[in-house]
Amino acid sequence: KNEVEQSPQNLTAQEGEFITINCSYSVGISALHWLQQHPGGGIVSLFMLSSGKKKHGRLIATINIQEKHSSLHITASHPRDSAVYICAPTYSNYKLTFGKGTLLTVNP
Amino acid sequence: SAVISQKPSRDICQRGTSLTIQCQVDSQVTMMFWYRQQPGQSLTLIATANQGSEATYESGFVIDKFPISRPNLTFSTLTVSNMSPEDSSIYLCSVERDRVQETQYFGPGTRLLVL
Repeated sequence: KNEVEQSPQNLTAQEGEFITINCSYSVGISALHWLQQHPGGGIVSLFMLSSGKKKHGRLIATINIQEKHSSLHITASHPRDSAVYICAPTYSNYKLTFGKGTLLTVNP
Repeated sequence: SAVISQKPSRDICQRGTSLTIQCQVDSQVTMMFWYRQQPGQSLTLIATANQGSEATYESGFVIDKFPISRPNLTFSTLTVSNMSPEDSSIYLCSVERDRVQETQYFGPGTRLLVL
């Protein structure tokens, strides 16, 4: 069974700060998703990556397959970034396992 | 990308009743997934629904409690049967659009409260 650990569980930042959320998993995977969940419950897939690094706007995701670790970075954070960020490794059978999420609050 | 809608977006139900949640996708997809997120918990996969075959349920979930239909490549339903307050959750469907990219897209969720 793949154990997924996210840290921190809760994160409060001031607008403009650089944010890092970490994710570790215990067994080999084929890919890893970073998801964003807003208070209403809807989930948006931010990234799917299987190696290296991806960048979308102010968001950067990296993964180290050998170390079984991924990070999500947010540059120049903004209050609208406030959400729960979820790490979800996937096996080759397309099933996702989910971390418990990191609640990010960005204050103006 | 894929546009996914769910109905209803939220509901309040009495224990012992059943609710059917609909998931509609704007394009044909092979694999659809149903998840549950109980309050304060991470998402849990209920079942995988492929068109033309029976849904595959994860450990702890059974067809009698969560019957699923998948009549075509753009639509699926999940029924929560004989509800109890423990079924109060957000229920989400997701689809896998690109088998090579393994990208999944999520619906907006159905927020269910059982009294």
